[in-house]
Amino acid sequence: AQTVTQSQPEMSVQEAETVTLSCTYDTSESDYYLFWYKQPPSRQMILVIRQEAYKQQNATENRFSVNFQKAAKSFSLKISDSQLGDAAMYFCAYRSAENTDKLIFGTGTRLQVFP
Amino acid sequence: DSGVTQTPKHLITATGQRVTLRCSPRSGDLSVYWYQQSLDQGLQFLIQYYNGEERAKGNILERFSAQQFPDLHSELNLSSLELGDSALYFCASSVEEGWGTEAFFGQGTRLTVV
Repeated sequence: AQTVTQSQPEMSVQEAETVTLSCTYDTSESDYYLFWYKQPPSRQMILVIRQEAYKQQNATENRFSVNFQKAAKSFSLKISDSQLGDAAMYFCAYRSAENTDKLIFGTGTRLQVFP
Repeated sequence: DSGVTQTPKHLITATGQRVTLRCSPRSGDLSVYWYQQSLDQGLQFLIQYYNGEERAKGNILERFSAQQFPDLHSELNLSSLELGDSALYFCASSVEEGWGTEAFFGQGTRLTVV
């Protein structure tokens, strides 16, 4: 069974600085999708970024980028120029490209942003 | 606004009771997923429906059941409620089966069992 591990329960960053959130996963599959979701205090789940495993190029969405290391099964999220509005829980998630049902979530990292 | 509507937003009920949570997916989305998020935990997959049919089951208790109606809205029924069922219940929808396209989450229903 696939698992997703986020080893940092909490992280903090100064406004305008850069922070990296870690995520590792375990799978025997070769084709899958990885996601980062943001959950602000409103509890809404918001998709931040998505990576297809077959793509070597790391995904980027504005200030958010990932470092996808397929061999190491690592999928970290980098937030550049952090803003106060980035403060939230961040969840890493995995979905098989073959077993097209559930997303498997990590336990989350709480990010605090200090002015 | 994701376009996924969940009602009610909050629900307080007593142990042993039964409740129904409702989800209206985004217009055109055929796939609906239900997740449970206990306090400060990740999301646990409960069940998926696609165009009215059950597609996948996760760690859903026998006391819980769900269905998707012809108009594609979905309901999650929770019965014989226990204190441990207190959680945030999310519904998500996507246009097709699976998550190749983006899935959109509702704002959740916070269930408190007292």
